[in-house]
Amino acid sequence: GESVGLHLPTLSVQEGDNSIINCAYSNSASDYFIWYKQESGKGPQFIIDIRSNMDKRQGQRVTVLLNKTVKHLSLQIAATQPGDSAVYFCAESSNDMRFGAGTRLTVKP
Amino acid sequence: KAGVTQTPRYLIKTRGQQVTLSCSPISGHRSVSWYQQTPGQGLQFLFEYFSETQRNKGNFPGRFSGRQFSNSRSEMNVSTLELGDSALYLCASSLGGTDYEQYFGPGTRLTVT
Repeated sequence: GESVGLHLPTLSVQEGDNSIINCAYSNSASDYFIWYKQESGKGPQFIIDIRSNMDKRQGQRVTVLLNKTVKHLSLQIAATQPGDSAVYFCAESSNDMRFGAGTRLTVKP
Repeated sequence: KAGVTQTPRYLIKTRGQQVTLSCSPISGHRSVSWYQQTPGQGLQFLFEYFSETQRNKGNFPGRFSGRQFSNSRSEMNVSTLELGDSALYLCASSLGGTDYEQYFGPGTRLTVT
């Protein structure tokens, strides 16, 4: 069946390094993709989104890349900071919203 | 601008009971979506309401229901609670639906004993 999934459940990076979190999706009809950050005890927080007519979108310290050919989504965080430590979810939306399993990012000082 | 609020934040119920959770969206947002988050299943979509109408529904049994009021506030109800319903229930609001930027509330932690 259709699914949204993440390649890695955990990622540990050194403060100041760049982080890359990956996500695979299989619903070719998906036209809207989002990355969320969830800190302990809080609801998911919107980071950045991208629509299927784009392949790259940049925000403040974050970049989302969309490769529709291989159905792959990635989130790049530049100069990762301790405050970036959280669980990151990708999500895809067509008629509903489906989330990946999440990747826990840990930033080492 | 106030964020999405959910009440109550924590709830303990016993099997067979029913529960009603409330969500107040960001002012001006007409879409409210509900999600269930568990360690085993992750974040799963329950349903979305827009202008008091349910537009989309996830793959949950009929024990899970919801409604939206004219002021866009939404409630979800779970009847005949089961142990497996223990979860964090999140609501999110947006201007237009799940294909727009959604803002999540802090969630209601439901424990069923």
